[in-house]
Amino acid sequence: AQSVSQHNHHVILSEAASLELGCNYSYGGTVNLFWYVQYPGQHLQLLLKYFSGDPLVKGIKGFEAEFIKSKFSFNLRKPSVQWSDTAEYFCAVNSPGGGNKLTFGTGTQLKVEL
Amino acid sequence: ETGVTQTPRHLVMGMTNKKSLKCEQHLGHNAMYWYKQSAKKPLELMFVYSLEERVENNSVPSRFSPECPNSSHLFLHLHTLQPEDSALYLCASSQVVRGGARNTQYFGPGTRLTVL
Repeated sequence: AQSVSQHNHHVILSEAASLELGCNYSYGGTVNLFWYVQYPGQHLQLLLKYFSGDPLVKGIKGFEAEFIKSKFSFNLRKPSVQWSDTAEYFCAVNSPGGGNKLTFGTGTQLKVEL
Repeated sequence: ETGVTQTPRHLVMGMTNKKSLKCEQHLGHNAMYWYKQSAKKPLELMFVYSLEERVENNSVPSRFSPECPNSSHLFLHLHTLQPEDSALYLCASSQVVRGGARNTQYFGPGTRLTVL
């Protein structure tokens, strides 16, 4: 079965620091990859997604992610975080063989301090 | 954002109660999903209604019963729940193509359920 690992469960950064959140998945075939964000008290929102093409994907609010097939990774990055980026971040994967099923990681709680 | 709405937002129920969660999507999608979000666990897919087919996770207890009367509405009927069922229940929708997986799911705000 497909699995998704997010190794950083809690991250604390100061404003303007750079961010990289790790995401690794287990499926070896074609995958579709997603990052979702959940701000405090709000619903899950799509940050960015990768289906095919350029492995460097740009999303909303200055976030980007890079798909590295050889490493089964889809790490999320932002060059300079803001206090408003404080949220929980979820990586998710689905695959053609998995139908419509999204497999999520356990999430990374990011706290940005002023 | 009001693409996917859920009611109620909060629900407290006893173990002998029967209640229902409601989800409505205004995005014209043809698939809807129920997820369970518990602390320190990955989101767990409970049920999928896609292209008029129901797909379920076999590990979901029978005390959870979904209903999808049309492509815009989804219910989760609850009966004789246990305290460990307390969680955030999320609804999502997407537009799917038969045999494809390139669909993006959009989530509602969730129902925070507490079982006493």
